[in-house]
Amino acid sequence: KQEVTQIPAALSVPEGENLVLNCSFTDSAIYNLQWFRQDPGKGLTSLLLIQSSQREQTSGRLNASLDKSSGRSTLYIAASQPGDSATYLCAVPSGSARQLTFGSGTQLTVLP
Amino acid sequence: GAGVSQSPSNKVTEKGKDVELRCDPISGHTALYWYRQSLGQGLEFLIYFQGNSAPDKSGLPSDRFSAERTGGSVSTLTIQRTQQEDSAVYLCASSLVGRETQYFGPGTRLLVL
Repeated sequence: KQEVTQIPAALSVPEGENLVLNCSFTDSAIYNLQWFRQDPGKGLTSLLLIQSSQREQTSGRLNASLDKSSGRSTLYIAASQPGDSATYLCAVPSGSARQLTFGSGTQLTVLP
Repeated sequence: GAGVSQSPSNKVTEKGKDVELRCDPISGHTALYWYRQSLGQGLEFLIYFQGNSAPDKSGLPSDRFSAERTGGSVSTLTIQRTQQEDSAVYLCASSLVGRETQYFGPGTRLLVL
């Protein structure tokens, strides 16, 4: 059974810092890995999807990397802003329905 | 274009009552998922619909939970005889088969008193 772990559970940084969020998964036979953002009381917003054949994917200040063999992904956020404050979740599809298995998330606070 | 919508946004009910939660997926998306997000359990898969195929119900926690999808579009998740442990946020997502990215709705926050 696929298990997804995210470290750290919470992170607080001053505005302008570059930061890295970590995600690990136990079964390396994944199709892709997806990073989401969740604001309090809101649904999930897809940030990046990395296919299993890719090593990284970039969108603006966000860069996600994937190392399938070691079962790890990182989300790099450059020049963090208070508006980046949210919970960040990583997820991998598993099962015949390719339903997503989620990590428990990293709660990020960027202080102005 | 319009994203995934869910209704109601909030629902408070008494233990033992039945509730219905609605999801409108993105137009043209044939895959539809229901997930539940609760404190201490994180996000967990409930049920999956793909086109006209039989749904994958492997994530439903008990037979009090059921879902249907009419006309390959709107889906309704029904919880019968609600219990306090059913209190959670119920999220719906849709995707284009072969595109993988799942797009989530804002969720329905269910509180069972």
